[in-house]
This record gives sequence, C-alpha cells and structure tokens, in this order.
Amino acid sequence: AQSVAQPEDQVNVAEGNPLTVKCTYSVSGNPYLFWYVQYPNRGLQVLLKYITGDNLVKGSYGFEAEFNKSQTSFHLKKPSALVSDSALYFCAVRPLNYGGSQGNLIFGKGTKLSVKP
Amino acid sequence: DTGVSQDPRHKITKRGQNVTFRCDPISEHNRLYWYRQTLGQGPEFLTYFQNEAQLEKSRLLSDRFSAERPKGSFSTLEIQRTEQGDSAMYLCASSLLGRSGDEQFFGPGTRLTVL
Repeated sequence: AQSVAQPEDQVNVAEGNPLTVKCTYSVSGNPYLFWYVQYPNRGLQVLLKYITGDNLVKGSYGFEAEFNKSQTSFHLKKPSALVSDSALYFCAVRPLNYGGSQGNLIFGKGTKLSVKP
Repeated sequence: DTGVSQDPRHKITKRGQNVTFRCDPISEHNRLYWYRQTLGQGPEFLTYFQNEAQLEKSRLLSDRFSAERPKGSFSTLEIQRTEQGDSAMYLCASSLLGRSGDEQFFGPGTRLTVL
C-alpha cells in the first residue's frame, strides 16, 4: 500500500535553533513531493515542492527540503526557527504511474512544530 | 479573493439527516478534489474531477456519499443519512493539470459535526 510516514507527532525547538521535520514515503513510480503547512483556522498552504531537478528544494519562509531517492525521504529543514513557524506540517506525495498519472495526494499524519522563545 | 472557497464553513446536523457542501475552485483550474480530515490525521482523498468528469473515487467514499461537478466549475458533496463517524473536516482543493506539478490549492474546509 502506498503511504507517507511522519514519525514525529511533535517537534519542539528553541527559537534560533535549526529544525528538521521528517518524512519518508512508500509509493510506486517517481512521485511529486510536497510540504504543506496548516495554521489554526486556515487552509493548507503549500510550503515547497519537488517535481524534478535539484534534490535540494527551497520554499517559502526560509524552509527547504532535500529529496533523497535511495532513502525515499523528503525531510523539511530550516536553519533558524522562528516562533511564528509554530504550526502543523504535512508531507504529501502525488504518485505518478508510468504512462499516466494519479490525481490524489497521499498525506502523512502531520507533525506539530512548536517553537519556543 | 481568488482562492478556493467552501460553503458552509461549519455544519451541525443530527444523525440520519442529509447534508450538502459546496466548493468553488480557482476559476481557471480544471481539476477539483475532495478530501476528509479527522483530528490528528492528515487529509484523506475522497474523489476528484477533471472538468465535469469524476475520474477517481476512494474506497472511503461509501454509497452514502455523492459528488458532482455538473458544469466543470463548482462542485457539491452530499452525504446522505449522516452517521457520527462522518464528523470531520471536509476539504476541497483545485489544480490546473500540467502546471507546477498539479499543485493543489486548498480551501478553508467545512467542519461537519453529526450529533
């Protein structure tokens, strides 16, 4: 079965420290990869995406993620966390079948990031 | 606001009643998706449309659920004979096929509570 794993329910970081939110996936083909952020009472917003090209992807608000095909991982990182980064983060994968495409995203369970001053 | 909109934002209903939700996608987007999100979980795919054609349905979409996109613009999701287990956030998203990895833009969701 195709799946996305976010092994940490919560990540706690002090402001100014680097942060990492982990994501691994198990899907067929060469998927598109996304990180979404969800703030309270707001819709999901895409933070960054990997379609093709460089394995290191830079996104909004200073976030970046590295695509590692051999480890099937797409960890989210930021060199210096801000209190305003506190939110719920979702890793999502869009499987691509050879000769076609599949429409839906497969999401992880989400990781709550808490950045303390 | 040119984003994805959903109506209503909140719905409280009694078990056994029917409910209908509406989603208006970003105007030029030809794909529209429905997801369900329960507390502590990521969104789970329900179904999606390309223009007016419903191309895929998840096993989660029981026969009490029906979705339509009659003119390839807005979409409705109806749940008949609601059950307490239907309580969740229902999310709508839209995308433009072939653009930017078919990046999906999400609406704010409709929170359904079944009493």
